[in-house]
Amino acid sequence: EIVLTQSPGTPSLSPGERATLSCRASQSVSSSYLAWYQQKPGQAPRLLIYGASSRAAGVPDRFSGSGSGTDFTLTISRLEPEDFAVYYCQHYGSSPPMYTFGQGTKLEIK
Amino acid sequence: EVQLVESGGGFIKPGGSLRLSCAASGFTFTNTWMSWVRQAPGKGLEWVGRIKSKIDGGTTDFAAPVKGRFTISRDDSENTLSLQMNSLRIEDTAVYYCVRDGYGGNFDYWGQGTLVTVSS
Repeated sequence: EIVLTQSPGTPSLSPGERATLSCRASQSVSSSYLAWYQQKPGQAPRLLIYGASSRAAGVPDRFSGSGSGTDFTLTISRLEPEDFAVYYCQHYGSSPPMYTFGQGTKLEIK
Repeated sequence: EVQLVESGGGFIKPGGSLRLSCAASGFTFTNTWMSWVRQAPGKGLEWVGRIKSKIDGGTTDFAAPVKGRFTISRDDSENTLSLQMNSLRIEDTAVYYCVRDGYGGNFDYWGQGTLVTVSS
C-alpha cells in the first residue's frame, strides 16, 4: 500500500512569496497518476494538477507541478491571498484499485 | 457546466443504514467512472469507493474500512449515483463527496458534499 507524506506541515508565507509543497510516496509511483488539489474552508476540493505537471482547466499559471518516482512538488510562484488553503496530493493505483491522499498541507498567511 | 449534487445525509445511530444520492448533469454520465470521497470533521480526504461505467464492466471497488458494508450503484437513465451505507459506525461520520473520475485516476469534479453523522 502506497503512503503519501506531505511536507511541510503548516508553512506560513506572505502574499507575493513562493510556496513549495512536497509530496513523498512510500514507493515509486507513475507520475501519470499523481494529482494535487486545493481545498478552502467550507468548500469541496478542487483539482489543480494532474499527471504530476498538467494544470487543470481554469487553474492560474502560477501553479505548477513537478517530480517523478517518489518525490513530487507543487509550486505556487507568487502567492495571492486566495491561495491560502489546504493542499492535498493524491495517487491512483490500479492493482488493486486504490486512490490514496496525502494528509494535506495547510498554507497559512504570515 | 458539470454539476454534482448530493443528497441524503443526516443523523443516524450506530448500526443503522443510510443511502446517499448524487444527481449528475453537464456531462455524459453513462461513459464516466464515479467515486465517493469522504472527509471526517477536521480531517483529510479519504476515498470510499468507485463504480466503473457499464461499458467498462460497471464493477465496484471499495476502500478497506467500508468494504462489505457500503455498496455503490448507478442509474444511467437518471444520471444518478448512489451510496448505500449499512452497519454504520461512529468513524463513518464525515462529509461525503460525489466525484467524477477523470482520466489518470484523478477527481476532476466534486459535488458540494453531504454530511453524515453517526452518533448514539
